[in-house]
Amino acid sequence: GAVVSQHPSWVICKSGTSVKIECRSLDFQATTMFWYRQFPKQSLMLMATSNEGSKATYEQGVEKDKFLINHASLTLSTLTVTSAHPEDSSFYICSAREGQYTSGNTIYFGEGSWLTVV
Amino acid sequence: AQTVTQSQPEMSVQEAETVTLSCTYDTSESDYYLFWYKQPPSRQMILVIRQEAYKQQNATENRFSVNFQKAAKSFSLKISDSQLGDAAMYFCAYRRGTDKLIFGTGTRLQVFP
Repeated sequence: GAVVSQHPSWVICKSGTSVKIECRSLDFQATTMFWYRQFPKQSLMLMATSNEGSKATYEQGVEKDKFLINHASLTLSTLTVTSAHPEDSSFYICSAREGQYTSGNTIYFGEGSWLTVV
Repeated sequence: AQTVTQSQPEMSVQEAETVTLSCTYDTSESDYYLFWYKQPPSRQMILVIRQEAYKQQNATENRFSVNFQKAAKSFSLKISDSQLGDAAMYFCAYRRGTDKLIFGTGTRLQVFP
């Protein structure tokens, strides 16, 4: 089946620095990618929807200047946490929808990235 | 707005037995998709099964089957012949067309030998 790769799996950064997480669709073109945040023992919270070649659509309450999303190609979307603080520490998951804007296309998930801000 | 509710925070089952996880949802749409995802300790989200709302027949995937009751807006997951590897968080999810996935709060399934 389709594979979505997320990198890095683990990252520790100092407070005030920025960190970038990559999400790649390895064997299919993904016009749309989604970024989620998951707190311990909680569900996935959608942060933003990323469409190739256009600006991301952020969910209510998500700071677009803090969580920069770029979807420059059909196989790569990046999430940059700018000026990270300890409260940004979390598990971040991306997902990618296979194919064009066709209803019902399967969504595949990356392995997730643990971010710890110290 | 669409919502997905999983009323069972935790469930447990004996190995080889059957367990059913509940999910209800709220939508005014008639055409949509429903999913069950499994999240093991590795945190990788794995698609277990999907159901198209326009299909009356319940989806099945080996030991996994659903009971889709469209009028009642219910979508339960039945796991037969439970295995130790089935232990995980299970999330029910809803999606309309090409829209985003909306997840429930999850059910933690424990499997005892």
